[in-house]
Amino acid sequence: GESVGLHLPTLSVQEGDNSIINCAYSNSASDYFIWYKQESGKGPQFIIDIRSNMDKRQGQRVTVLLNKTVKHLSLQIAATQPGDSAVYFCAESHSNTDKLIFGTGTRLQVFP
Amino acid sequence: EAGVAQSPRYKIIEKRQSVAFWCNPISGHATLYWYQQILGQGPKLLIQFQNNGVVDDSQLPKDRFSAERLKGVDSTLKIQPAKLEDSAVYLCASSLGTDRGRAFGSGTRLTVV
Repeated sequence: GESVGLHLPTLSVQEGDNSIINCAYSNSASDYFIWYKQESGKGPQFIIDIRSNMDKRQGQRVTVLLNKTVKHLSLQIAATQPGDSAVYFCAESHSNTDKLIFGTGTRLQVFP
Repeated sequence: EAGVAQSPRYKIIEKRQSVAFWCNPISGHATLYWYQQILGQGPKLLIQFQNNGVVDDSQLPKDRFSAERLKGVDSTLKIQPAKLEDSAVYLCASSLGTDRGRAFGSGTRLTVV
């Protein structure tokens, strides 16, 4: 069936370094992707999204890259801060439906 | 604006008991979602409402789970009887329409013992 997965369950980075969180998706028909951040005890929080007609989108300290050829999505966080520590989920969707399919998450740990 | 409100934050029950969760979406949001999030996994959609009508409940275990949104605003999700595998965080989310961005509440953490 359709699924969204992540390569690395836990990523540890030093404060100030850049972080890259990866995600593989299986449905080539998916045309919309979202990255969420989930802190302990809270619900997922929208970070950035990208549509399939783009291969890169930038936000504040975050960049999402989409490679449709290999069905791969990544989230880059520049100058990672302790407040970035959380679990990050990618989610995919198709324009025919608003159903979001979430991956299993990557835990980002930032150490001083 | 106020976010999505959920209660209670935590609940511990014994298996075969019943439990109910409450959600108040962001004001004006017509679409409301209930998700189940098992530890270490991404949220899984249980049911989606558009106003007070059900849009998608294909993943809802209807033999034990039920949900309602009688006046198109607040919603309740009920489990009866609960099983050990129902232990999870139950997240409520809402959106203006059927757009794919949505706001999530902080969830209710259910532990079934």
